[in-house]
Amino acid sequence: QKEVEQDPGPLSVPEGAIVSLNCTYSNSAFQYFMWYRQYSRKGPELLMYTYSSGNKEDGRFTAQVDKSSKYISLFIRDSQPSDSATYLCAMHSSGGSYIPTFGRGTSLIVHP
Amino acid sequence: NAGVTQTPKFRILKIGQSMTLQCTQDMNHNYMYWYRQDPGMGLKLIYYSVGAGITDKGEVPNGYNVSRSTTEDFPLRLELAAPSQTSVYFCASSPRDRLMNTEAFFGQGTRLTVV
Repeated sequence: QKEVEQDPGPLSVPEGAIVSLNCTYSNSAFQYFMWYRQYSRKGPELLMYTYSSGNKEDGRFTAQVDKSSKYISLFIRDSQPSDSATYLCAMHSSGGSYIPTFGRGTSLIVHP
Repeated sequence: NAGVTQTPKFRILKIGQSMTLQCTQDMNHNYMYWYRQDPGMGLKLIYYSVGAGITDKGEVPNGYNVSRSTTEDFPLRLELAAPSQTSVYFCASSPRDRLMNTEAFFGQGTRLTVV
């Protein structure tokens, strides 16, 4: 079993839809959770960053962490064609080298 | 502010050739990383460095070498290129400061094809 599991998709939705992207993980030591967005032929860039459990909201984006289920989510409201990208989850523990472990990424396509 | 700069952007190598992928960051970050990304496979860590003079292996280090003589530069060396090393390579850096800021800043990537 991989440490971080993420469905690669693609996930295709109409403009305006609510999108839910998810990752599961097996390492209970993970405390820091991140979502990166990667446009085609570009490097990933940080979208959301959360510590431990709970929700964090930033505009149309909400990151949710459920440590009891080892499950994290990214919700996108009122999705736009410009949201079309690959979304990678990443996480690391609070001890050791803090090197993040990445999921495979989910390809999202928002069509007009 | 340039951030993380990778060169070259594209390269075609013949089997058995060697090359160095360059990476420079101007943000004075302690941590630097090299990842490879194969289609649909996410990012795999090749090597990382926590500061000048200190490097360590990641998940897939075989066939690669790194050095970190300065805070700014973290070159990745490919010796005896093989078709399995065809991939997109990303360099990244992060501050890892006392506020636990571990955001990774990525370069634009180097697309390498080994034929």
